[in-house]
Amino acid sequence: GAVVSQHPSWVICKSGTSVKIECRSLDFQATTMFWYRQFPKQSLMLMATSNEGSKATYEQGVEKDKFLINHASLTLSTLTVTSAHPEDSSFYICSARVSGPGTYEQYFGPGTRLTVT
Amino acid sequence: GQQLNQSPQSMFIQEGEDVSMNCTSSSIFNTWLWYKQDPGEGPVLLIALYKAGELTSNGRLTAQFGITRKDSFLNISASIPSDVGIYFCAGQRNDMRFGAGTRLTVKP
Repeated sequence: GAVVSQHPSWVICKSGTSVKIECRSLDFQATTMFWYRQFPKQSLMLMATSNEGSKATYEQGVEKDKFLINHASLTLSTLTVTSAHPEDSSFYICSARVSGPGTYEQYFGPGTRLTVT
Repeated sequence: GQQLNQSPQSMFIQEGEDVSMNCTSSSIFNTWLWYKQDPGEGPVLLIALYKAGELTSNGRLTAQFGITRKDSFLNISASIPSDVGIYFCAGQRNDMRFGAGTRLTVKP
């Protein structure tokens, strides 16, 4: 299957600072990537859809000025959590879509554990 | 929105037993996918289904795309300790939605 990487795998930051998380598709090009948030023992919640070369599409209730998404190339999308607060502490997971005639699959990165102190 | 109902929420089984879990929806999906997530990791794709009625196997795992396109099941045969984890179904139409997950515990 396709490989998606994330960096960093975990980060601890102080309240009020910003944190950038990178998501890369290693062996394929992804015009569309997705950012999810997952709280303990819960399912994945879609935050936004990242489209290469255009603005991200945010889900209802997700602040686009707080969670900045940049999809600068076909293999890289970044999520920046601005002015982080303790309630932003969570597991952030990206995924990249691989689609072709008759197929649609999403491959996930390993996730980034963010802790805001 | 498109809601997926995944059941059971959790399962506690003995090693060697078979497992079955399913997802249902009131909406039709074009694709059903099943993922497994280990603690602290991202979900890993197990099986993807594209046609109504399709039955696909991946080792000890078997999944089916329901005829009505509104449901799917995943079976695991002869469970082993490393099957422990959370299994998520996902349905895709315009975007992809996830079930709440089935937490599987396998007792040796």
